[in-house]
Amino acid sequence: DQQVKQNSPSLSVQEGRISILNCDYTNSMFDYFLWYKKYPAEGPTFLISISSIKDKNEDGRFTVFLNKSAKHLSLHIVPSQPGDSAVYFCAAKTGANNLFFGTGTRLTVIP
Amino acid sequence: DTEVTQTPKHLVMGMTNKKSLKCEQHMGHRAMYWYKQKAKKPPELMFVYSYEKLSINESVPSRFSPECPNSSLLNLHLHALQPEDSALYLCASSQGLAGTDTQYFGPGTRLTVL
Repeated sequence: DQQVKQNSPSLSVQEGRISILNCDYTNSMFDYFLWYKKYPAEGPTFLISISSIKDKNEDGRFTVFLNKSAKHLSLHIVPSQPGDSAVYFCAAKTGANNLFFGTGTRLTVIP
Repeated sequence: DTEVTQTPKHLVMGMTNKKSLKCEQHMGHRAMYWYKQKAKKPPELMFVYSYEKLSINESVPSRFSPECPNSSLLNLHLHALQPEDSALYLCASSQGLAGTDTQYFGPGTRLTVL
């Protein structure tokens, strides 16, 4: 049973515009959420995280929003750049360190 | 430095072979992990080591045997694998097992079992 879901397998965005990647989860015990970026033939690279006690965390062009009541997480990238083209995974965990990953969204930023 | 290294990058083996995957980190992290990722699927946890002791084994078949010789190294010994074991094997490490400890991943080993 997939506890973390990314319902959009792909997303295309024009360079300079905002990219919004979405993630839903089912387990209300999750208390820490992360976004990873993955290029082909490489391992996932950590991008940004958020604790369940917050609703927003910002790091440069990347902002993660958490809506606990809706069990929904989103990653905003502004402005989008061609180098951002990759597969983005959201992940969640409870107090233990078992990460549950979503199925990924392939972002293509068009120059 | 958030680098986790893995060797080899690619490995092709027969079903009767014995091989090992290696993972190394020099970030002083005390928790290390093995994940398996099949094509178009998310990574799935296999094993977790904390302070060089196995703390989680996600019901992985015994043909996969992890080993943590010291706090910087993590091996995965492979024996009598099946073609369905072909996948990308990812190693990760984190400061500890606290909920806010971020896992950092290596580039992976692409394994093909013939």
